[in-house]
Amino acid sequence: AQSVTQLDSQVPVFEEAPVELRCNYSSSVSVYLFWYVQYPNQGLQLLLKYTSAATLVKGINGFEAEFKKSETSFHLTKPSAHMSDAAEYFCAVSDLDNDMRFGAGTRLTVKP
Amino acid sequence: DTEVTQTPKHLVMGMTNKKSLKCEQHMGHRAMYWYKQKAKKPPELMFVYSYEKLSINESVPSRFSPECPNSSLLNLHLHALQPEDSALYLCASSPAREGETDTQYFGPGTRLTVL
Repeated sequence: AQSVTQLDSQVPVFEEAPVELRCNYSSSVSVYLFWYVQYPNQGLQLLLKYTSAATLVKGINGFEAEFKKSETSFHLTKPSAHMSDAAEYFCAVSDLDNDMRFGAGTRLTVKP
Repeated sequence: DTEVTQTPKHLVMGMTNKKSLKCEQHMGHRAMYWYKQKAKKPPELMFVYSYEKLSINESVPSRFSPECPNSSLLNLHLHALQPEDSALYLCASSPAREGETDTQYFGPGTRLTVL
């Protein structure tokens, strides 16, 4: 069965500093990988997804992620953090049967 | 319309009550999902409907009963819940088109409190 591991439960950064949120996946078959963001008391918003078309995926709000098969990783990055980026970020993996599994989440805090 | 809507936004119920959560989408998606999310935890899959048929049931207690009246609507009927069932209940939908990466789009959730 597929799974993802988010290596950091919390990531603090200063405003305008670069952001990296780490995600490693485990699967024996082809997978689809996603990053979602959740603001307090809201649902999940899709940031970006990996569909095997390109290993570097660009998403909304200036985020991007690179699929590295040799490292089984799909880390989320942004060159410069904004205060509005503070939220919970979830990495997720899905197979062909619509069975999506989420990582434990990473809380991004942005300090002025 | 690119939204998944959920009603009510908040629900407080007693352990003997019967209530229902509703979810609606008008994106022509053919798969719909219920998730349960406890505080500071990731969403946990409960049920999946694909083409109006229940395709995944993650061994959820029978006090939760899903219903998919048509391809746009998904309900979650609640009966005799326990306080530990208090959580954010998220609905999602996805296109479920063969040959395409299936992406789930989430509603804002219903915050359920069981007293």
